[in-house]
Amino acid sequence: TQLLEQSPQFLSIQEGENLTVYCNSSSVFSSLQWYRQEPGEGPVLLVTVVTGGEVKKLKRLTFQFGDARKDSSLHITAAQPGDTGLYLCAGARRGSTLGRLYFGRGTQLTVWP
Amino acid sequence: EAGVVQSPRYKIIEKKQPVAFWCNPISGHNTLYWYLQNLGQGPELLIRYENEEAVDDSQLPKDRFSAERLKGVDSTLKIQPAELGDSAVYLCASSLEDSGASYNEQFFGPGTRLTVL
Repeated sequence: TQLLEQSPQFLSIQEGENLTVYCNSSSVFSSLQWYRQEPGEGPVLLVTVVTGGEVKKLKRLTFQFGDARKDSSLHITAAQPGDTGLYLCAGARRGSTLGRLYFGRGTQLTVWP
Repeated sequence: EAGVVQSPRYKIIEKKQPVAFWCNPISGHNTLYWYLQNLGQGPELLIRYENEEAVDDSQLPKDRFSAERLKGVDSTLKIQPAELGDSAVYLCASSLEDSGASYNEQFFGPGTRLTVL
C-alpha cells in the first residue's frame, strides 16, 4: 500500500494546456516535496512545502500543501515540451525523522509540441 | 560543485552472480541513502546512513543485500546472489542533516540501471 497516492499516473497533453497533478494521503506530513525526474537521471527537487495551506510558485508551476498537511497539488500553466518528465511527490511523516521520505509512484507527464 | 556520483551507470549480469554499486556523495553531506526504483514507480528506501552508521535499514533484504559506508563518505551496495526480480534502478542520494531544519533536501545521483538475466 502506497502511503502517498498520485494521480493521474499518466498525462499526455498539448503544448499550451494547463494541468494539475495530485498527491494524496491519509497520513499527516511535516513536509512535502515535489521532484521531477527525467529518463536516465535521478529525481531533482523542485520545491518543499512545510505549512498547511502553503502555496509556492516556481515560474509556471504552482504547488499547494493542503490545510491538513495530508495532500498536495502541482499545477502547471501553459505546459511546454520541456516540462515532460516523471513528477514525484515525497513526504516526511509527522513524528518521523526528516530524512525518511516516502515517495508516491509518480505522474508521467508528456507535453507534445 | 560536483553532484552525487554513481558507478557503474549500467550493469547487466546473469542471475546468481554478485554485483556491487558505488556512490560518492556531495562533499560535506553527512547522510547517505540508497533507494531502489522499479519502472514506473517512485524510489523506495533501502538504507540510510548518518555518517558511518546505518540508522534505517529496515527495508534492506539482508539475506542478499549488504551495504557499507566506510569513513562516512563513499558507500557501496552489494547484491549476492542477484535474482531476476532485482532488475531495477538503484539510486544514491545525500543530504546535510540539520537538527534545526524543518525539512531535509536530498540530492540524487543518476542511478545504476541493473538488468539481471
